[in-house]
Amino acid sequence: EAQVTQNPRYLITVTGKKLTVTCSQNMNHEYMSWYRQDPGLGLRQIYYSMNVEVTDKGDVPEGYKVSRKEKRNFPLILESPSPNQTSLYFCASSSLGDSSYEQYFGPGTRLTVT
Amino acid sequence: AQTVTQSQPEMSVQEAETVTLSCTYDTSENNYYLFWYKQPPSRQMILVIRQEAYKQQNATENRFSVNFQKAAKSFSLKISDSQLGDTAMYFCAFMKQRGSGTYKYIFGTGTRLKVLA
Repeated sequence: EAQVTQNPRYLITVTGKKLTVTCSQNMNHEYMSWYRQDPGLGLRQIYYSMNVEVTDKGDVPEGYKVSRKEKRNFPLILESPSPNQTSLYFCASSSLGDSSYEQYFGPGTRLTVT
Repeated sequence: AQTVTQSQPEMSVQEAETVTLSCTYDTSENNYYLFWYKQPPSRQMILVIRQEAYKQQNATENRFSVNFQKAAKSFSLKISDSQLGDTAMYFCAFMKQRGSGTYKYIFGTGTRLKVLA
């Protein structure tokens, strides 16, 4: 089954404790992206990647890091989480060779930083 | 900078009735793509419908259709014969390809739709 997976689905952590949210897709998609969803703000792009070893900042990159060492994986790293990073996070992927430009989303990760 | 505006934070509709969700966007581009995504209580983001800006014909997917007005930069979603399962948050999204070859996706703030029995 074609899908984007994220782990963990829920995470409660404390300020300053480094964490990683994993994202993996099995559709051989070149494009991958991370978003955060906050009430009243919609989805905002954090980082995106056009392919392996090619990443770039989105609209709200501060406090986040990403890497793309393999085509299927695109982890999101919070080196020193703060309470303002409490949010719902989505990973998404799409094929650059497919003119539909449809993004396939993971199930979301609910992060709470206390 | 591109922006996407959804001016209706919440809406409700009676089951079997028709409802229209509005979306406007701002861009100087001529070639771009527009999407409506549905997010039910499960939080999963699901593509409802997409529209290429170069196509004049409005996209339709079963009970879902759009009214794409390129000059007015408007992209509304019409849901016909509303069903309880249509209860969800709906996001309008814009995508364009940058000169560098990268892609830019921008989402609106969402409209929460409740279908009433």
